[in-house]
Amino acid sequence: DTAVSQTPKYLVTQMGNDKSIKCEQNLGHDTMYWYKQDSKKFLKIMFSYNNKELIINETVPNRFSPKSPDKAHLNLHINSLELGDSAVYFCASSQGLAGREQYFGPGTRLTVT
Amino acid sequence: EDQVTQSPEALRLQEGESSSLNCSYTVSGLRGLFWYRQDPGKGPEFLFTLYSAGEEKEKERLKATLTKKESFLHITAPKPEDSATYLCAVQAEGNTDKLIFGTGTRLQVFP
Repeated sequence: DTAVSQTPKYLVTQMGNDKSIKCEQNLGHDTMYWYKQDSKKFLKIMFSYNNKELIINETVPNRFSPKSPDKAHLNLHINSLELGDSAVYFCASSQGLAGREQYFGPGTRLTVT
Repeated sequence: EDQVTQSPEALRLQEGESSSLNCSYTVSGLRGLFWYRQDPGKGPEFLFTLYSAGEEKEKERLKATLTKKESFLHITAPKPEDSATYLCAVQAEGNTDKLIFGTGTRLQVFP
């Protein structure tokens, strides 16, 4: 049973396009996150949602819009894709807001050409 | 500014050769320090959480320790399957649930 799943695993698209990445967790957690891992493998938080409420928005361009339809899902929509958006995007989840471990999905490798 | 630094950047070990990975951190107040393992093409896999100086956690060949300024991940008699990138992250008080990651240590264990 996959705890945190993401689709698609790979996404290749052209500059200017709009794309979405979906995330689902079956752990019963109430908090979900999006992280970006760049080409140097540095992992940085983008957003977090707790009970469908936006908690963290970490200086991300407004072309990125997260949406949480319910506690088990957190999607990431990206408008007007740029070359610099190429990275691996990870979804994660945890129970509660502080001091608890986060469980990560397998990642979505986005390549913008 | 909250910061995490990991060293070394890369480590090559012979099977059975024990060693330690270092994670130095600077935070206004530590809520928790987390160790993750990441295999190529996969998401980080949770290993340990440490909350206070002096705390230790063990899992198989891995042991994590914590002081007020750094954490060590000790690997005893490593095997080739321990090869991975090990990531350290901190959660600071007042920062809700944000994890601040280091850049990782890439470990290779040769038979």
